[in-house]
Amino acid sequence: DGGITQSPKYLFRKEGQNVTLSCEQNLNHDAMYWYRQDPGQGLRLIYYSQIVNDFQKGDIAEGYSVSREKKESFPLTVTSAQKNPTAFYLCASSMGGLQETQYFGPGTRLLVL
Amino acid sequence: GQQVMQIPQYQHVQEGEDFTTYCNSSTTLSNIQWYKQRPGGHPVFLIQLVKSGEVKKQKRLTFQFGEAKKNSSLHITATQTTDVGTYFCARGGDSSYKLIFGSGTRLLVRP
Repeated sequence: DGGITQSPKYLFRKEGQNVTLSCEQNLNHDAMYWYRQDPGQGLRLIYYSQIVNDFQKGDIAEGYSVSREKKESFPLTVTSAQKNPTAFYLCASSMGGLQETQYFGPGTRLLVL
Repeated sequence: GQQVMQIPQYQHVQEGEDFTTYCNSSTTLSNIQWYKQRPGGHPVFLIQLVKSGEVKKQKRLTFQFGEAKKNSSLHITATQTTDVGTYFCARGGDSSYKLIFGSGTRLLVRP
């Protein structure tokens, strides 16, 4: 059963803590992406990776970090430097190449306590 | 630059009425994609348009790509409550694999 999985579905963080959101895909896609979505808003690109061991900053990378050690995994760490981390985080993947369709995971809702 | 403008931001319709959302770019697009996000869900790919003047239909949904390839529209005929959600258009980045999403149009349907 191919697809993208994200875990956990809900995540609570205390102020000052780093948290890591998981994203795994078994679609054999080269490219992976992280988006942030605030209530009633659009998608903002945090980081993306076009190939293993390589990634680029998106529009709002400050306070976030990623790694791409394996093709199927692209974890996102929300660091304590991110001052307003409460949001819905979406991971996506695509085959790679220009204008390829993106397939999204179910998302993780992060709430800072 | 590469941004796409999407209007309207919100649309509240009576069930059975039609709905249209528009996506505009200041530059020529190589293609345009449309996604739907149900409330509480994740975006799901609907369609991709590539050719100038292209029109594609999916049941009650009609997608158009402008002749100049600078705009696109999504029209829903006779809306149903299952159409509720946010509709996003997206264009490709010129030199990377990322997509640039419009701000979305949120559709609410009164039963």
